Amino acid sequence: NAGVTQTPKFRVLKTGQSMTLLCAQDMNHEYMYWYRQDPGMGLRLIHYSVGEGTTAKGEVPDGYNVSRLKKQNFLLGLESAAPSQTSVYFCASSSTGPYGYTFGSGTRLTVV
Amino acid sequence: GENVEQHPSTLSVQEGDSAVIKCTYSDSASNYFPWYKQELGKRPQLIIDIRSNVGEKKDQRIAVTLNKTAKHFSLHITETQPEDSAVYFCAAYSGGGADGLTFGKGTHLIIQP
Repeated sequence: NAGVTQTPKFRVLKTGQSMTLLCAQDMNHEYMYWYRQDPGMGLRLIHYSVGEGTTAKGEVPDGYNVSRLKKQNFLLGLESAAPSQTSVYFCASSSTGPYGYTFGSGTRLTVV
Repeated sequence: GENVEQHPSTLSVQEGDSAVIKCTYSDSASNYFPWYKQELGKRPQLIIDIRSNVGEKKDQRIAVTLNKTAKHFSLHITETQPEDSAVYFCAAYSGGGADGLTFGKGTHLIIQP
């Protein structure tokens, strides 16, 4: 039982490049979330999903897209990376919405 | 949407003393208030939570209090230990839809030996 697994753990991108972050959970959770964490800013919600095939925008969705084609996976895409997207990205999943997140270990992304 | 303010941003206490972190929220419909602890380089982990129908909740050395009228809630840690050093985040959920938690900006708690 791995819980929530994020890949990759680290990545350096050049401005304008694209990439996809993968979040995988093996707990059969319906709810999945993507947050970004910046120094002094806490955790801000990018996108979330309440079940397979569903996605919705959070507080800071611009520049990101997501997909939830399989219940266990939630993908976060950056189509054209910008330096402002340098951050640590955390995925979280839950069986009960906000009542008890399980976080992944994070992806540290640097855009140069 | 919901807005959560957290204070202080940094808190330094002597080992064995108590620490208190305070948060305020803006949406009176919010009904769930968790606290997460994040050690350096690690993922956030839920340490305690409280719902709006309860005024206080304790779990060993940690407790959370909620004042719905004033729209603020606090984390209390007693008899602090070195392993309590971490960043603590409060959060709130209004329950209006399926969206996620709104987090405060975090408090870096430093336990001085």
